[in-house]
Amino acid sequence: SAVISQKPSRDICQRGTSLTIQCQVDSQVTMMFWYRQQPGQSLTLIATANQGSEATYESGFVIDKFPISRPNLTFSTLTVSNMSPEDSSIYLCSGAVAGNTIYFGEGSWLTVV
Amino acid sequence: KQEVTQIPAALSVPEGENLVLNCSFTDSAIYNLQWFRQDPGKGLTSLLLIQSSQREQTSGRLNASLDKSSGRSTLYIAASQPGDSATYLCAVTGGANSKLTFGKGITLSVRP
Repeated sequence: SAVISQKPSRDICQRGTSLTIQCQVDSQVTMMFWYRQQPGQSLTLIATANQGSEATYESGFVIDKFPISRPNLTFSTLTVSNMSPEDSSIYLCSGAVAGNTIYFGEGSWLTVV
Repeated sequence: KQEVTQIPAALSVPEGENLVLNCSFTDSAIYNLQWFRQDPGKGLTSLLLIQSSQREQTSGRLNASLDKSSGRSTLYIAASQPGDSATYLCAVTGGANSKLTFGKGITLSVRP
């Protein structure tokens, strides 16, 4: 199994600012992903975080808005840039371990005002 | 494009009842299917993972089945308890290390 920790757990942000979310896994994972969960909705994949190279973004998400880093096998960051109220969501980090079970962090709850 | 559907969106049952949560997916070429639980204000907890070659998995009072050819999975909860109240999400992957495609979840309320 894997334990995934995210920081911050919650934040209230001003419109136009940027916030970086950190994700730490307690063991090496093969893949790391970032998801968004908007109010009342299910989870949508933002991107796959690739170690040492640029993340792979899903349709509708771009690097300028959601820059992602993954410097090693157990750590990744997601930045939400130039925030607007529409970015108010839960952002979840996840990791896949051998056997392909995917584990999630507790999420980072962002409110943009 | 894979689509995952969970119906109904919400369910309320009395404590002690056995219940079944349904999940359907449009593309039967899945690699595996995973059931998650999400409590209010929390992240996702993995409950059961079923590989595409498997028919079911069990953990305690939970049993998940998979019928890949018909694009269906069920999560069976035996002797439900108020602590089982949460949103249950079904998700599928199309390959090893691939992304999860989620349903919208079923919000379960177990009444004491």
